[in-house]
Amino acid sequence: DTGVSQDPRHKITKRGQNVTFRCDPISEHNRLYWYRQTLGQGPEFLTYFQNEAQLEKSRLLSDRFSAERPKGSFSTLEIQRTEQGDSAMYLCASSTRRSSYNEQFFGPGTRLTVL
Amino acid sequence: EDQVTQSPEALRLQEGESSSLNCSYTVSGLRGLFWYRQDPGKGPEFLFTLYSAGEEKEKERLKATLTKKESFLHITAPKPEDSATYLCAVQNYGGATNKLIFGTGTLLAVQP
Repeated sequence: DTGVSQDPRHKITKRGQNVTFRCDPISEHNRLYWYRQTLGQGPEFLTYFQNEAQLEKSRLLSDRFSAERPKGSFSTLEIQRTEQGDSAMYLCASSTRRSSYNEQFFGPGTRLTVL
Repeated sequence: EDQVTQSPEALRLQEGESSSLNCSYTVSGLRGLFWYRQDPGKGPEFLFTLYSAGEEKEKERLKATLTKKESFLHITAPKPEDSATYLCAVQNYGGATNKLIFGTGTLLAVQP
């Protein structure tokens, strides 16, 4: 169990550019979540995958955001035409039905700064 | 609408000074209440899951309790390494996911 990993850890981009983040969940975890966290706030849910199926998207996920989990393993989150309001920490979490505690394990996050 | 409110926003304690953090929640049907710890620049770290009123969980200096409307995280004789933001979150039975709905957290600082 190597934990949830995310790449890159930090990304600085100019407004209008596209960015893509990657998340590798704990192996054999079939559930994967993306959250966004801004300074002084708790994480906010963005989207959820069960295996390769995207089952829910938050209202926070505008048309500029897209997420994929092509083979039910790693996931990517892409933001097109970034805006300064997109600056935040993007967190990935994974879980499994087999856990008795139903907990989600979080990765270290990707810190996005849009200039 | 499901909602989680944490208080206080920030708490400063002396080492060894016990205290409690509060998490009040409204949820249509509680599947679970979760406590996480978050250090600066890192992702949340799981601490506890509570499922029903009256349940208690303990881990080292931390003890979490749950009622029908709120949860408390009791910190006994804290040490400086307990300094972090403590996040409370709920899951409800509605919808197709187990998404977490978080509060804004309590920033705890323990001074030696």
